[in-house]
Amino acid sequence: EPEVTQTPSHQVTQMGQEVILRCVPISNHLYFYWYRQILGQKVEFLVSFYNNEISEKSEIFDDQFSVERPDGSNFTLKIRSTKLEDSAMYFCASSDAAGVTYEQYFGPGTRLTVT
Amino acid sequence: DAKTTQPPSMDCAEGRAANLPCNHSTISGNEYVYWYRQIHSQGPQYIIHGLKNNETNEMASLIITEDRKSSTLILPHATLRDTAVYYCIVRLNYNQGGKLIFGQGTELSVKP
Repeated sequence: EPEVTQTPSHQVTQMGQEVILRCVPISNHLYFYWYRQILGQKVEFLVSFYNNEISEKSEIFDDQFSVERPDGSNFTLKIRSTKLEDSAMYFCASSDAAGVTYEQYFGPGTRLTVT
Repeated sequence: DAKTTQPPSMDCAEGRAANLPCNHSTISGNEYVYWYRQIHSQGPQYIIHGLKNNETNEMASLIITEDRKSSTLILPHATLRDTAVYYCIVRLNYNQGGKLIFGQGTELSVKP
C-alpha cells in the first residue's frame, strides 16, 4: 500500500539554525499539507499546497516557514531560524483531491528538537 | 467552522464494541463528519467519513443521527491495537484548502 514517508525521523538543531524537513507524498496525489503537534497538545494545521503554490496557511505559518516542491516527488518544509517553541512533531500529509470526500494520508512524522 | 465535542477518555474491554460519541450541533448541510485516530504520536490515520447515511468499512461503522447533530464511531471488536486518540472532525468546504482541524479527541484505552 502506498504511503507518505518523512525524513529524518528525528532532527536536533540549535536555536537560530535553519532546518529542512522532507516528505515524499503518495505519488499520484496533488494536494500536500504540513501539520505540527507540540508534545501533549493537539495536531495543528500549518499549510496546504497545490499546483506549486500555497492554498492556505495558518497563523503559525509565519515568515520563518516556507514550503517547496523542488521536484516531482519531494515536498519540504523549511524553518529559517528555529526557536525553542518550534520543537514539535511535524507531519506531512497528502491527498488526491481537496474535495471534501477525499481523505488525507499522513506520514510518520519528524520529531524536531530545538535546543 | 462547525465545532465538535468528544469525551476526553473512554475504556473498552478487548473483544467488545467500542462506541465513541461526538457532538457537532452546528454542522452545516454540506459538511461531512470524518474520524481519524492517532496511535501513540504516530501520524493520524483516516478511519471513516459520512454525510447523512450510516457508513461501514473494514475498520469501523459510523452512525449519524437524523438531525446530523451527533454521531458515533463503532469499533465492533476492539483489540489492544485500537488503543489510540480518536478525533471527530467536521470537514470544511473544499475551497478552503481541505485542511483538517483537530480537537483534543477521545483517548480510548482497550484493556485485556
